[in-house]
Amino acid sequence: GESVGLHLPTLSVQEGDNSIINCAYSNSASDYFIWYKQESGKGPQFIIDIRSNMDKRQGQRVTVLLNKTVKHLSLQIAATQPGDSAVYFCAEADSGGYQKVTFGTGTKLQVIP
Amino acid sequence: ETGVTQSPTHLIKTRGQQVTLRCSSQSGHNTVSWYQQALGQGPQFIFQYYREEENGRGNFPPRFSGLQFPNYSSELNVNALELDDSALYLCASSPRLAPTGEQYFGPGTRLTVT
Repeated sequence: GESVGLHLPTLSVQEGDNSIINCAYSNSASDYFIWYKQESGKGPQFIIDIRSNMDKRQGQRVTVLLNKTVKHLSLQIAATQPGDSAVYFCAEADSGGYQKVTFGTGTKLQVIP
Repeated sequence: ETGVTQSPTHLIKTRGQQVTLRCSSQSGHNTVSWYQQALGQGPQFIFQYYREEENGRGNFPPRFSGLQFPNYSSELNVNALELDDSALYLCASSPRLAPTGEQYFGPGTRLTVT
C-alpha cells in the first residue's frame, strides 16, 4: 500500500551546521511531496513542497531534493538554529480530485547549542 | 501563527459518547481537511470539505462525520467514541487553487477517551 517513511527517527546536529533529513516513499503516483515541521504542542507547519516533475526546490534556508529513481526525498536546512528543533514529517499528496496528504512517522531534529 | 483556530483545546469523553470539534479556517481558504494524530505518529487524513461538500475521505468509519459551513468553518463529529479515538485532531485549511501540498494547520484538539 501507500507509505511514506523516514530513515532516521532522531537526528542531532550542532548549531550552525547543515541538517539533512531523509525520507523514502513508495507511491510513484504522488503529485506533490511536502515537508512539515511540528513543534511540541502545535500543529504541523508547512515548510516547502515539490511537485513530482521537479528535482529540487529552494526556500528560505531550506532545500528539498526529490529523486524519483530511488523514491527518495530529502530536506536540507542550512545553518541550523535552535528554533529548528522539532519533529519533521515528509508527506506525499495524491491530488486525485482532492488533497489527500499521507504523512510519514516523523524525524526528531535536536539542535545542540 | 497560521490563522487556523480550533476549539476546544482539550476534551475528555467517556467511551460511547459523542463529540464535536470545531475549526475556523484561515481567511480566504475554502478547503478544510481533518486529520487524526496518535501520539508519536504522523497525522492521518480523515476527510476533506470543499464548498460545504465532503470532497474525499480516508480510511475512517462512518461514525466520523463532518460539516462545513458557508463561512468555511468546519466541524468534526465522532459518534460512539472508542478508546482508540484518543488522539490529537487537527484541521488544516488551504486555498483551493494553491499547490496541493500547501495546507495550514491549526493547533489541534487533544481528545482523551476514558
